Amino acid sequence: DGGITQSPKYLFRKEGQNVTLSCEQNLNHDAMYWYRQDPGQGLRLIYYSQIVNDFQKGDIAEGYSVSREKKESFPLTVTSAQKNPTAFYLCASSIHWAGNTEAFFGQGTRLTVV
Amino acid sequence: DAKTTQPPSMDCAEGRAANLPCNHSTISGNEYVYWYRQIHSQGPQYIIHGLKNNETNEMASLIITEDRKSSTLILPHATLRDTAVYYCIVRVWGGSNYKLTFGKGTLLTVNP
Repeated sequence: DGGITQSPKYLFRKEGQNVTLSCEQNLNHDAMYWYRQDPGQGLRLIYYSQIVNDFQKGDIAEGYSVSREKKESFPLTVTSAQKNPTAFYLCASSIHWAGNTEAFFGQGTRLTVV
Repeated sequence: DAKTTQPPSMDCAEGRAANLPCNHSTISGNEYVYWYRQIHSQGPQYIIHGLKNNETNEMASLIITEDRKSSTLILPHATLRDTAVYYCIVRVWGGSNYKLTFGKGTLLTVNP
């Protein structure tokens, strides 16, 4: 089945530790995105990648880092510099970075930092 | 991208049509209207999109007013599994950056 997979679904970390969230897609999509969602809020863009080996900061990139070494993978690292990392993280992909295409989302990773 | 305004919540009886409104009064001529929904603790799911003509697919219908300042998403026979937050998004076709700006959406509760 084609799709976008995030793992793990739930993640717990101690304060001050870096943590990496996985996002894999087998849809052959060029573009990938990371969003953060807080309770009762909409989605906010953290980083996006239009093509392999390229990525751009979104609206709330501080305290996060990404890489795009392979077309199918776009991992997100939540660093200790992120002041409030507990949130629901969503990864998405689309065929192209522009144009009339819809985005496909993973099922999300709920990160809790204690 | 133009901003959108949606009611925070709506209720609908199971089996009835659910009509979800969205205002996008500042929409530009090259901006599309997209609808997504998000079931609790899951990722958003694409529903439908349109430019100016009404659109229908297996999930829903999208009615866009002639002046394009508002639209309505119609779920013709709502089921309990349609309970979700519905997001109306306006974005430019072929824009230099692809960013979906999700607001708070409308929480649709389908009641038995």
